[in-house]
Amino acid sequence: GENVEQHPSTLSVQEGDSAVIKCTYSDSASNYFPWYKQELGKRPQLIIDIRSNVGEKKDQRIAVTLNKTAKHFSLHITETQPEDSAVYFCAARKTAGNKLTFGGGTRVLVKP
Amino acid sequence: DSGVTQTPKHLITATGQRVTLRCSPRSGDLSVYWYQQSLDQGLQFLIQYYNGEERAKGNILERFSAQQFPDLHSELNLSSLELGDSALYFCASSVHTGISGNTIYFGEGSWLTVV
Repeated sequence: GENVEQHPSTLSVQEGDSAVIKCTYSDSASNYFPWYKQELGKRPQLIIDIRSNVGEKKDQRIAVTLNKTAKHFSLHITETQPEDSAVYFCAARKTAGNKLTFGGGTRVLVKP
Repeated sequence: DSGVTQTPKHLITATGQRVTLRCSPRSGDLSVYWYQQSLDQGLQFLIQYYNGEERAKGNILERFSAQQFPDLHSELNLSSLELGDSALYFCASSVHTGISGNTIYFGEGSWLTVV
């Protein structure tokens, strides 16, 4: 089955700096890659996603890049703010209707 | 609000007991997924139902079972509870097909504490 690895497990950045989280996946058939943000004790919330026919997608301060050949994708957060502090999960799935396989999560701390 | 409703929000029970967690998916969503998240851990896939039928099974213990009813709500049954079953249990749902079927929405979760 699919295996998703996520690095780093923790990330501490200064407010205003950029944060980058990287994920690799094992199943070349995976074609949908969402990122979820989870605040303490809350539900995971989708923040951005990318499909395999796209190499990069941006939404304000966040962007995701995908390298299908290397089977890895990354989340970039620019101009980080304290409210960006949370756990971020990457995930992968093959087709609509299939389960998401999640990475282990990255705990991001933005220091003011 | 994601539109996925889970009850109860919190539950404390003793070892050896049995509990049932309930989930109502978003209106129109046919797929329901259950995930377990232990303290400081990731999201472990347990099981998926689609329109009443089991579609995929993950690392779900034999003591756990689930079902999806004709009205599409789902229940996760946890029996012979152990201390290690203490976790946050999430239900999620999706439309299942098409581009929209890619997006999975999570409920607020049910906190289970086994004492």
